[in-house]
Amino acid sequence: EAQLVQSGPEVKKPGESLKISCKGSRYTFSGHWIGWVRQMPGKGLEWMGIIYPDDSDTRYSPAFQGQVTISADKSITTAYLHWSSLKASDTAIYFCARREMSTKLDAFDIWGQGTMVTVSS
Amino acid sequence: DIQLTQSPSFLSASVGDRVTITCRASQGISSYLAWYQQKPGKAPNLLIYGASTLQRGVPSRFSGSGSGTEFTLTIRSLQPEDFATYYCQQLNSYPHTFGGGTKVEIK
Repeated sequence: EAQLVQSGPEVKKPGESLKISCKGSRYTFSGHWIGWVRQMPGKGLEWMGIIYPDDSDTRYSPAFQGQVTISADKSITTAYLHWSSLKASDTAIYFCARREMSTKLDAFDIWGQGTMVTVSS
Repeated sequence: DIQLTQSPSFLSASVGDRVTITCRASQGISSYLAWYQQKPGKAPNLLIYGASTLQRGVPSRFSGSGSGTEFTLTIRSLQPEDFATYYCQQLNSYPHTFGGGTKVEIK
């Protein structure tokens, strides 16, 4: 069964950099978009952006453009979400999810378990 | 960006109730709409895609309908395990926005 496994929780200080990961297995990683979704404490889901690992085509939500960088290394079936300078407001759970696009299906059908990022001085 | 407005944002219901959640898009999205269920501390789980197609393994008491700008998720007979938060998502155009969520609680 296809799965996405994310890296563990992080505690960082404002201004620090961070890269979290999402490793796919048991499916053709390069052939499926991987999206990132933010969930701030007690809040809803926010779509951040998405990457196609085969050619690294990446799309960002305007709300997150310039705030984060999404990348992928198809050779190790892993996608990444990177911050160069964290803010306290980046404190949230971050989910990765596989976008399945077939005849009728277009949705995030497989989700990672989430990575909790805490940014505090 | 396409905005998705879910209503209600909160509802209180009893086991066995029929529950309907609405998702309205700020512009037409054809049938590019998915519904997810999220329980506390867990990742979301896909329930419905293409506005009305049930994902494999999802109980048949869940159903979806609509196209264009108005969509509904119906739970025919609410079960204890259905108490959760539900989100719609549009995949018609980037960014693939989510609705604000509907929390379904036990009355």
